[in-house]
Amino acid sequence: GENVEQHPSTLSVQEGDSAVIKCTYSDSASNYFPWYKQELGKRPQLIIDIRSNVGEKKDQRIAVTLNKTAKHFSLHITETQPEDSAVYFCAATLYDYKLSFGAGTTVTVRA
Amino acid sequence: NAGVTQTPKFQVLKTGQSMTLQCAQDMNHNSMYWYRQDPGMGLRLIYYSASEGTTDKGEVPNGYNVSRLNKREFSLRLESAAPSQTSVYFCASSEGGSSYNSPLHFGNGTRLTVT
Repeated sequence: GENVEQHPSTLSVQEGDSAVIKCTYSDSASNYFPWYKQELGKRPQLIIDIRSNVGEKKDQRIAVTLNKTAKHFSLHITETQPEDSAVYFCAATLYDYKLSFGAGTTVTVRA
Repeated sequence: NAGVTQTPKFQVLKTGQSMTLQCAQDMNHNSMYWYRQDPGMGLRLIYYSASEGTTDKGEVPNGYNVSRLNKREFSLRLESAAPSQTSVYFCASSEGGSSYNSPLHFGNGTRLTVT
């Protein structure tokens, strides 16, 4: 099955700086890579996803890059704000029901 | 449009007790899932139902059973609770079917403590 490793486990950034979270996956057949954000005590929610036929995708201050050859993908958050403080999970799969999650990164944005 | 609704929100059980976690979605999704979330381990799939009438084991199915009651509802049962099942449980759904690789929509979670 798929194995997804996520780094770092915790990340503290100054407000306005950028945050980068990196994930690697093991199954070269995986073709869908979503990112979920979970605020304290809340449900995980999709913030961005990328498919294997695309190398980069942006949505306002967040972007995801994918390197299929190296089997890694990254989440980039620019101009961080206090509301970006949360736990972020990467995931990888070929099918919905085979989605494997990373262990999560706790991001703290310092004012 | 409530999305994915889970009940209960909190539950405390004694070792050996049984309980059923309920989940319902109103988005006409084909696929439904049960995950557990433990500190430092991300979200791990317990069971899933790719479509109405089917269920399959995920990564950590031992100690659990599921029922896909109809297209809307997917329940998770603990027959004999153990302390190792203390966790936060999330139900989720996705379009599934021919729209594989569709986003998961999660419920609000159930915080279960087994003493």
